[in-house]
Amino acid sequence: DIVMTQSPDSLAVSLGERATINCKSSQSLLYDSNNKNYLAWYQQRPGQPPKLLIYWASTRQSGVPDRFSGSGSGTDFVLTISSLQAEDVAIYYCQQYYTLPPLTFGQGTRLEIK
Amino acid sequence: QVHLVESGGGVVQPGRSLRLSCAASGFTFSIYGMHWVRQAPGKGLEWVALMSYDGRNKYYADSVKGRFSVSRDNSNNTLYLQMNILRDEDTAVYYCVKGMRTMVPNGGDAFDLWGQGTMVTVSS
Repeated sequence: DIVMTQSPDSLAVSLGERATINCKSSQSLLYDSNNKNYLAWYQQRPGQPPKLLIYWASTRQSGVPDRFSGSGSGTDFVLTISSLQAEDVAIYYCQQYYTLPPLTFGQGTRLEIK
Repeated sequence: QVHLVESGGGVVQPGRSLRLSCAASGFTFSIYGMHWVRQAPGKGLEWVALMSYDGRNKYYADSVKGRFSVSRDNSNNTLYLQMNILRDEDTAVYYCVKGMRTMVPNGGDAFDLWGQGTMVTVSS
């Protein structure tokens, strides 16, 4: 199984400041034949189902504000929120879809306002 | 509008069975792989099962293999999860989830549409 490890577990950032969440996979998520990283990021606000933010490691889902960006390749990935807004308070998960079963998620990173 | 609506959750004793349903609308159900993902109270996300778009391929997490069975009815745009021999640790919100890509035969996928979830509580 591919193990996904996020850091930190929780994060407090001031409004308007940058937030950075890391995700590391136990094996490469880069598929050589198409040069795509099979990595997605989700946002889960309190009491809500998760919402897809980023797929292919860096492609923003339609409707997602451009302050959200994804980067990285291989085994190391980053979700960045360039200027934190109040509505960004949530738990963020990374997920690999390179291989199954199983599809696996990181343990989650809780983002709060400082 | 695209929607996934789960039903069938509830309180059940250990060892008993429950069947979840997921009604899909607003998209062409038959060309997308469909998944179940669960979340125990206060915990993270756990992928449970996938049924490929054409029904030919099914995959399960080790924690449910041999006890849970996923199926779909493409004529009625519905996904099912039959859960047998339920255990305390199966207590969770169960989400019906749509794969992002069309006609993926046996590959993984990101999830671009989630239902609101249905709560399953296994308790004596």
